[in-house]
Amino acid sequence: AQKVTQTQTSISVVEKTTVTMDCVYETRDSSYFLFWYKQTASGEIVFLIRQDSYKKENATVGHYSLNFQKPKSSIGLIITATQIEDSAVYFCAMREDMSNYNVLYFGSGTKLTVEP
Amino acid sequence: DTTVKQNPRYKLARVGKPVNLICSQTMNHDTMYWYQKKPNQAPKLLLFYYDKILNREADTFEKFQSSRPNNSFCSLYIGSAGLEYSAMYLCASGTIYEQYFGPGTRLTVL
Repeated sequence: AQKVTQTQTSISVVEKTTVTMDCVYETRDSSYFLFWYKQTASGEIVFLIRQDSYKKENATVGHYSLNFQKPKSSIGLIITATQIEDSAVYFCAMREDMSNYNVLYFGSGTKLTVEP
Repeated sequence: DTTVKQNPRYKLARVGKPVNLICSQTMNHDTMYWYQKKPNQAPKLLLFYYDKILNREADTFEKFQSSRPNNSFCSLYIGSAGLEYSAMYLCASGTIYEQYFGPGTRLTVL
């Protein structure tokens, strides 16, 4: 069974607007970690932001923030004031606290296009 | 410095020939991972090293080999490349909080 699901395959927005990308996950662990990564046009995967399941506050880094809804097993990525260079594929990932050697489970990605 | 390096960045291989990809990290991470990434798919974990212990995923067990001669270096070896091996191969190293990815090696098998 898929542990991490991203249902939006692609999103297109106009620059300087706010976009939200959805992600739902499945785990039986009471403690886990959720991540968002960005894959650039060159193929490089870059870590963006992390949410620890035991923290109630939504993580924020620069113009990235998370909408963590634990009862819904949901971790949305919010990008405010989008820029052209935010165009990329965004991956949601999860690591279970009881995970073997910190293995990450990835979603299939959401392609974001930011247009002028 | 959170750099993970991979060599080569691009690799062209013939069907049936071996392929060896290299990864290095200077962060002294205990764990190094290899992923296969195909277009429109999630990165797929192939194997990982925790210290000197190799762990391979069940469905890729016989297709990929790896070695880790020291903490900083890790290789991915394909003994006989098939067309289905064409993909981006991503190396990562990590802590309990984050995995840092290298730039990837784009492998094309002809």
